[in-house]
Amino acid sequence: AQKVTQAQTEISVVEKEDVTLDCVYETRDTTYYLFWYKQPPSGELVFLIRRNSFDEQNEISGRYSWNFQKSTSSFNFTITASQVVDSAVYFCALSQYSGAGSYQLTFGKGTKLSVIP
Amino acid sequence: EAGVVQSPRYKIIEKKQPVAFWCNPISGHNTLYWYLQNLGQGPELLIRYENEEAVDDSQLPKDRFSAERLKGVDSTLKIQPAELGDSAVYLCASSLGDRNTINEQFFGPGTRLTVL
Repeated sequence: AQKVTQAQTEISVVEKEDVTLDCVYETRDTTYYLFWYKQPPSGELVFLIRRNSFDEQNEISGRYSWNFQKSTSSFNFTITASQVVDSAVYFCALSQYSGAGSYQLTFGKGTKLSVIP
Repeated sequence: EAGVVQSPRYKIIEKKQPVAFWCNPISGHNTLYWYLQNLGQGPELLIRYENEEAVDDSQLPKDRFSAERLKGVDSTLKIQPAELGDSAVYLCASSLGDRNTINEQFFGPGTRLTVL
């Protein structure tokens, strides 16, 4: 069965601290995609990154970085020098084959990040 | 470029009443999704459209939920009759591509439904 686990329900950090959000996934697919989305208080999920299972290179985008380790089925997300605007719920998601040639996303339960000024 | 538009943003109804949500995807996006998000949970797919065809509706409770995307652009999700357990946020998303591609989905702000 496909599953995404975000063990950290809530995290609080002081502004300028670094923070890592964990994501562990389970899948039987050999080809799959992983995503991170941000959901600020306004409610709209914002796409952050997509990574396919064949690309294990880490990625950095500004203060954001992602560490994909297939050996441990993890796709962790690090925010460096956190800011108050980073406060949101962050979701990790895994693509899964749902039959009839169609894919759908399985989301984790999310990690609520609070950055305290 | 305009994002995914949803209306209404909030809806409060009494149980057993019908309710409808509307979504207009990003221009040019042929794939449209409806998700259900309960408090403290991630979104769960209800139905996926490619153009006007529903290609995955396995998670849609068909006894009370229905959806349509008649011209392959905007879409309506309906619940009739609503139950207390339907209180949640209903999210619409859209993306480019077909069933063989996995592109990023762009989400609307959602409709928060409260059933009393």
